[in-house]
Amino acid sequence: AQSVSQHNHHVILSEAASLELGCNYSYGGTVNLFWYVQYPGQHLQLLLKYFSGDPLVKGIKGFEAEFIKSKFSFNLRKPSVQWSDTAEYFCAVRRANQAGTALIFGKGTTLSVSS
Amino acid sequence: KAGVTQTPRYLIKTRGQQVTLSCSPISGHRSVSWYQQTPGQGLQFLFEYFSETQRNKGNFPGRFSGRQFSNSRSEMNVSTLELGDSALYLCASSLGPGGSEETQYFGPGTRLLVL
Repeated sequence: AQSVSQHNHHVILSEAASLELGCNYSYGGTVNLFWYVQYPGQHLQLLLKYFSGDPLVKGIKGFEAEFIKSKFSFNLRKPSVQWSDTAEYFCAVRRANQAGTALIFGKGTTLSVSS
Repeated sequence: KAGVTQTPRYLIKTRGQQVTLSCSPISGHRSVSWYQQTPGQGLQFLFEYFSETQRNKGNFPGRFSGRQFSNSRSEMNVSTLELGDSALYLCASSLGPGGSEETQYFGPGTRLLVL
């Protein structure tokens, strides 16, 4: 069965620090990859997605992620975090090109940014 | 364009009761997926509907059921509620036909508390 592993449960950073959140998945076939963010009191929002092509994808609010197929990884990065980035971040994977397939989520990483 | 809407937003029930949650997808989206979010298990897939047909089902007991109407609105029902059913229930919509770049957009969720 597919699974998604997010290595860090809770990350604490100061403003302007760089961020990298790890995500690994287990599935040998073609996948679609997503990062979602859940700000306090808000609903789950799409941060960025990868379907094909350039493995470095850019999302909203200065976030980017790199798909490394050989490592089954899709790590999220941001060069300089802001206090407003405090949120929970979820990595999700879906089998590509199959109708009705579910998103498989990691357990999430809580990011706390201090000003 | 309006986002995914879910009603009610909050619900308190007692053990043994049943509950029905509603989801209206983004206009033009024909696929609706349901997820359960709990602190311990994270986000888990319940089921997915497209054109009034269930295309995929997660690993949940038969007490959890759903349906989709001709206007793409969806409902999920949980019968004989248990304390462990307390969770945030999220609905997500996507275009649906299963093309290579399907993206799910989430609603705010219904927070269910079972006493």
